[in-house]
Amino acid sequence: DAKTTQPNSMESNEEEPVHLPCNHSTISGTDYIHWYRQLPSQGPEYVIHGLTSNVNNRMASLAIAEDRKSSTLILHRATLRDAAVYYCILTIPLSIQGAQKLVFGQGTRLTINP
Amino acid sequence: DTGVSQDPRHKITKRGQNVTFRCDPISEHNRLYWYRQTLGQGPEFLTYFQNEAQLEKSRLLSDRFSAERPKGSFSTLEIQRTEQGDSAMYLCASSQPSPPGFQETQYFGPGTRLLVL
Repeated sequence: DAKTTQPNSMESNEEEPVHLPCNHSTISGTDYIHWYRQLPSQGPEYVIHGLTSNVNNRMASLAIAEDRKSSTLILHRATLRDAAVYYCILTIPLSIQGAQKLVFGQGTRLTINP
Repeated sequence: DTGVSQDPRHKITKRGQNVTFRCDPISEHNRLYWYRQTLGQGPEFLTYFQNEAQLEKSRLLSDRFSAERPKGSFSTLEIQRTEQGDSAMYLCASSQPSPPGFQETQYFGPGTRLLVL
């Protein structure tokens, strides 16, 4: 299974940008990069995903390296509510087209200082 | 609240007892997943249903584990003869098929935290 590598923890200050790195050197040409986050005492929630080009949504931006072996999740202005474990995920297709197994690593625990 | 719900949220049991967890997916979602998360680790895939059919099972799902989704709506996960190593958070997620070329998004419930004494 293709794997991702993330720093165990990162710390940032409120209202500052946060850049969360992820390495996925064994990614295949058709693998999408997904990011989910898990707030304390909750299940994971979807953040963003991308294939080759950079992606933006209301939660974050995803910058993907040209060789696709790494990516960076960008939170433009972190708030205290963004404190969570962030997972960079590659998926494995399951039996039915479109169904996927999410392969989580250990993630990055993000702490936001007031 | 139209999200994924799980019941119970917490369960404490003694080794050797059987436990059953329930997951109610988002109503229009026909795909349902179970994951297990141990302390300090990311979730690990256990099994997947498309409607009522169980189409994929992980090697993590030993013979003591069984999952059902009888009418393609809610799902149950049963663990027989629990062991201390079964202590974990059990997460359920649901999704619906996405159009060709689009990626599905899995929506997770809050999980059931199991402690086996």
